[in-house]
Amino acid sequence: DQQVKQNSPSLSVQEGRISILNCDYTNSMFDYFLWYKKYPAEGPTFLISISSIKDKNEDGRFTVFLNKSAKHLSLHIVPSQPGDSAVYFCAASRFGNEKLTFGTGTRLTIIP
Amino acid sequence: GAGVSQSPSNKVTEKGKDVELRCDPISGHTALYWYRQSLGQGLEFLIYFQGNSAPDKSGLPSDRFSAERTGGSVSTLTIQRTQQEDSAVYLCASSVSGQGTLGYTFGSGTRLTVV
Repeated sequence: DQQVKQNSPSLSVQEGRISILNCDYTNSMFDYFLWYKKYPAEGPTFLISISSIKDKNEDGRFTVFLNKSAKHLSLHIVPSQPGDSAVYFCAASRFGNEKLTFGTGTRLTIIP
Repeated sequence: GAGVSQSPSNKVTEKGKDVELRCDPISGHTALYWYRQSLGQGLEFLIYFQGNSAPDKSGLPSDRFSAERTGGSVSTLTIQRTQQEDSAVYLCASSVSGQGTLGYTFGSGTRLTVV
């Protein structure tokens, strides 16, 4: 039972353009959502998060949008840079629960 | 240390053997987590420690898997009688208590291959 889904295994975007990574979830009890970035042979690193009481959170070039009615969130990166090439994982949690439920990841490649 | 340290970074073992994977969390982080990533899968939760106790071990796949944490610091994940389906990258993370969903810091993982 995949409660967090990232349906695009890979995405290629030209440098300078916008990258949009999508994530869907099925568990309506989730109320906190996070994005992690992972380079090869390294552990995932926290990128940005959003609570269910918001529909948008922005941090520099990264913006996460949450549509609770559609159980969908997206990560926008603009402008995309070569260093953004990595695997991006969406994760979800419930307040008070330490466990994160992860998606399968999307490999983003930025084309110079 | 400055980050979460895991050892070994790579482990190849024969089917049926036992393996131990080690995690050194960031000093002062009271919460410690184990996840694994199998090929083509997302990160799968295994177990969570708060101090030396494990309030949530719901993700351990079978009784061949066990974990302990001593002194509120180092943790060991043990897999007995390894099977080929245990092949995966095992990731450890730590966080300051009460900031679990925000403050996860992952180690680089142990890649386990069972042949």
